[in-house]
Amino acid sequence: GNSVTQMEGPVTLSEEAFLTINCTYTATGYPSLFWYVQYPGEGLQLLLKATKADDKGSNKGFEATYRKETTSFHLEKGSVQVSDSAVYFCALSEGSGYSTLTFGKGTMLLVSP
Amino acid sequence: DAGVIQSPRHEVTEMGQEVTLRCKPISGHNSLFWYRQTMMRGLELLIYFNNNVPIDDSGMPEDRFSAKMPNASFSTLKIQPSEPRDSAVYFCASSLSGGSVYGYTFGSGTRLTVV
Repeated sequence: GNSVTQMEGPVTLSEEAFLTINCTYTATGYPSLFWYVQYPGEGLQLLLKATKADDKGSNKGFEATYRKETTSFHLEKGSVQVSDSAVYFCALSEGSGYSTLTFGKGTMLLVSP
Repeated sequence: DAGVIQSPRHEVTEMGQEVTLRCKPISGHNSLFWYRQTMMRGLELLIYFNNNVPIDDSGMPEDRFSAKMPNASFSTLKIQPSEPRDSAVYFCASSLSGGSVYGYTFGSGTRLTVV
């Protein structure tokens, strides 16, 4: 079956540091890949996505590249801010139509001033 | 667009009582999902609907849980009777055509506490 593995958190960084959150996946076909962010007390928000190999998703300074050869979709940001503190979820969806999202367990990011 | 709207935001109830959670999806979205989030188990898909029809309810924990979608703009998740282990945040999400390309839009969740 499909699965998503994320690095365990929390990830603690100082403001303006470089961020990488690792995500690898297992899928039988050609999935679409997503990163979601959850701020305290809120629902998950779509951060970025990529639908085919070598695509790069980007939003709000975050980037992730769909690497089929390594089955990875690592999230990166060049300079984090305190306001980026949240839980980040990697997810995949395989195929079309009734396919559902499979989520990783989430990685908490804590950014200090 | 107001997004996915869930009510109530918080619910505290006594063990054995019936609890009903409500969700209004984004207009035009034809898929709706109910998730439960806890520290121990993370995000769990409970059930999802496509065009108001339940497609997969294999994640519903037991018969105490039931979900309905009487029309395209409303869904309920009911727990009867509730138990302390049902305490969690319940999220509703909607999407266009299963979400495989566009992803889901989540509501703000209902934090349920059963005492």
